[in-house]
Amino acid sequence: AQKITQTQPGMFVQEKEAVTLDCTYDTSDPSYGLFWYKQPSSGEMIFLIYQGSYDQQNATEGRYSLNFQKARKSANLVISASQLGDSAMYFCAMSPSGNSGNTPLVFGKGTRLSVIA
Amino acid sequence: DSGVTQTPKHLITATGQRVTLRCSPRSGDLSVYWYQQSLDQGLQFLIQYYNGEERAKGNILERFSAQQFPDLHSELNLSSLELGDSALYFCASTSGGALSGELFFGEGSRLTVL
Repeated sequence: AQKITQTQPGMFVQEKEAVTLDCTYDTSDPSYGLFWYKQPSSGEMIFLIYQGSYDQQNATEGRYSLNFQKARKSANLVISASQLGDSAMYFCAMSPSGNSGNTPLVFGKGTRLSVIA
Repeated sequence: DSGVTQTPKHLITATGQRVTLRCSPRSGDLSVYWYQQSLDQGLQFLIQYYNGEERAKGNILERFSAQQFPDLHSELNLSSLELGDSALYFCASTSGGALSGELFFGEGSRLTVL
């Protein structure tokens, strides 16, 4: 079975600093996709970034980058130049069969990030 | 705005009652997923429909059921409600497009069982 582990229940970061949110995964599938979602206090789930298991380069989206280390089965999210609006819950998720588009995502328990002014 | 619409946004009911949560997916999306998020927990997958047919089942209780209609909207029925069913219920949809597997979430339906 697939499993996502986020070991940091909560993190603090100073405004304008970078922060890394950890995510490790476990799967026996050769092909899979990794996702990060942001959930602000208002509750909605906002997609941030995606990494395919066969992608050669680490994914980047603006201030978000994904540090993908396949051998270590880790997919850490790096947020650069943190802003107060980045304060939220962050969830790492995995799609067991990668690019099928028709399999449910498995989510970790999340990390609560607080950005301090 | 993700394009996924969920109603109602908030619902308060009593134990033993039955409720129906509704979801309209993004235009063109054939897959609909239901997730449950209890307090300070991650998202637990409940069930998935694809073009009207059940595709995958997760940790969905027997008291819960769902369906997807010909117009692709979906409903999640929760019956014999218990206090522990209080949670945020998300609907998500996907087309399997460019970022295949990316789910577009609605804003959720917050259910409180008293």
